[in-house]
Amino acid sequence: DTAVSQTPKYLVTQMGNDKSIKCEQNLGHDTMYWYKQDSKKFLKIMFSYNNKELIINETVPNRFSPKSPDKAHLNLHINSLELGDSAVYFCASSHMGTQYFGPGTRLLVL
Amino acid sequence: QKEVEQNSGPLSVPEGAIASLNCTYSDRGSQSFFWYRQYSGKSPELIMFIYSNGDKEDGRFTAQLNKASQYVSLLIRDSQPSDSATYLCAVTPIQGAQKLVFGQGTRLTINP
Repeated sequence: DTAVSQTPKYLVTQMGNDKSIKCEQNLGHDTMYWYKQDSKKFLKIMFSYNNKELIINETVPNRFSPKSPDKAHLNLHINSLELGDSAVYFCASSHMGTQYFGPGTRLLVL
Repeated sequence: QKEVEQNSGPLSVPEGAIASLNCTYSDRGSQSFFWYRQYSGKSPELIMFIYSNGDKEDGRFTAQLNKASQYVSLLIRDSQPSDSATYLCAVTPIQGAQKLVFGQGTRLTINP
């Protein structure tokens, strides 16, 4: 009965590679998000989608491309990975302003 | 000036005492205020939200909001070792009501 799920949980890859993270929510929420949490634990929004439409893009490099095939899924593709992309990426969904987070994907770029 | 500011801590409180966590925000038009708890290696989980000035209580937790002072706090009564975690304050700004802006979090340790 997982509410917001992400895959994979861990991702270790080399600089320059391309990788994807998937997110699914079964809460029936219309809005989904991607957040990045850096090594200092600062949590910052990257993107937000409402019913498959991009509504927030917080000046994220265009190497990051979100895709929402339907309102229950929001995936994140990252091209040409850099060392600074190493972080924990959290997916979230929301209803009436309250956000619920997935378990996170720990990305390490070597 | 950061949009949402918290003392990063660590804040140490003896078991059974009241833990007081504070947060200030810069956007005077901010609408909604949230407290999340994050255990090490886990995702943030919602503890409380508050929209109106004053106090809101839920069990051992009380959120306090003062919009005039742009200040929101979280009190934890009868602190337990299991309350040891990082507490994140989050605010919905007036521009961009669909997003949350987080503070850097306060690390709380409850000492048995």
